[in-house]
Amino acid sequence: DVVLTQTPPTLSATIGQSVSISCRSSQSLLHSNGNTYLNWLLQRPGQPPQLLIYLVSRLESGVPNRFSGSGSGTDFTLKISGVEAEDLGVYYCVQSTHAPWTFGGGTKLELK
Amino acid sequence: EVQLVESGGGLVQPGRSLKLSCAASGFTFSNYGMAWVCQAPTKGLEWVASISTGGGNTYYRDSVKGRFTISRDNAKNTLYLQMDSLRSEDTATYYCARENYPQGFDYWGQGVMVTVSS
Repeated sequence: DVVLTQTPPTLSATIGQSVSISCRSSQSLLHSNGNTYLNWLLQRPGQPPQLLIYLVSRLESGVPNRFSGSGSGTDFTLKISGVEAEDLGVYYCVQSTHAPWTFGGGTKLELK
Repeated sequence: EVQLVESGGGLVQPGRSLKLSCAASGFTFSNYGMAWVCQAPTKGLEWVASISTGGGNTYYRDSVKGRFTISRDNAKNTLYLQMDSLRSEDTATYYCARENYPQGFDYWGQGVMVTVSS
């Protein structure tokens, strides 16, 4: 199975600060069809996960543009440009290039 | 508005069975693959099983193969997970999720708790 390693496991930020989360894959997530199926989810406390970004960098409808994704192959990054209070929670990367679909271990974003 | 509402969770003894349901609304259910994803207490997310639009193709993680069965009733807009031979390590919140292309899991239910304990 593909292993996704997220760093850091915990991130402390102040409101307005920009932060980045890394997701590294044990193998390339480039599919034979040319797409890279790496997504980012946010799980707020007590809530189910919600989709933020898909195909590495495409923003899901309704997601603020302070979120951005980048990367290729095995290294991916989620950036939040100006953290807001509603952004607190646990962020997960998830891949669906190789079966079975696997998730990263999560990065908890908390207020400093 | 897309809604996914799970039900059927609870406390069950090891070795017993439980059947989860997920009622879908707000979209054409038969057009989408569906999945179950679990989250053990204070842990991360794990994909459990997926099913194709018509139900003809099903996929499972290794640890549940032969014990869990995913199915769907497109006439009732409902997804199911039959869980047999339950183990303590199956204790988790189970989410149903819509599978979209290329977005992956784009909508999630609120989740239902399953506790396996004697």
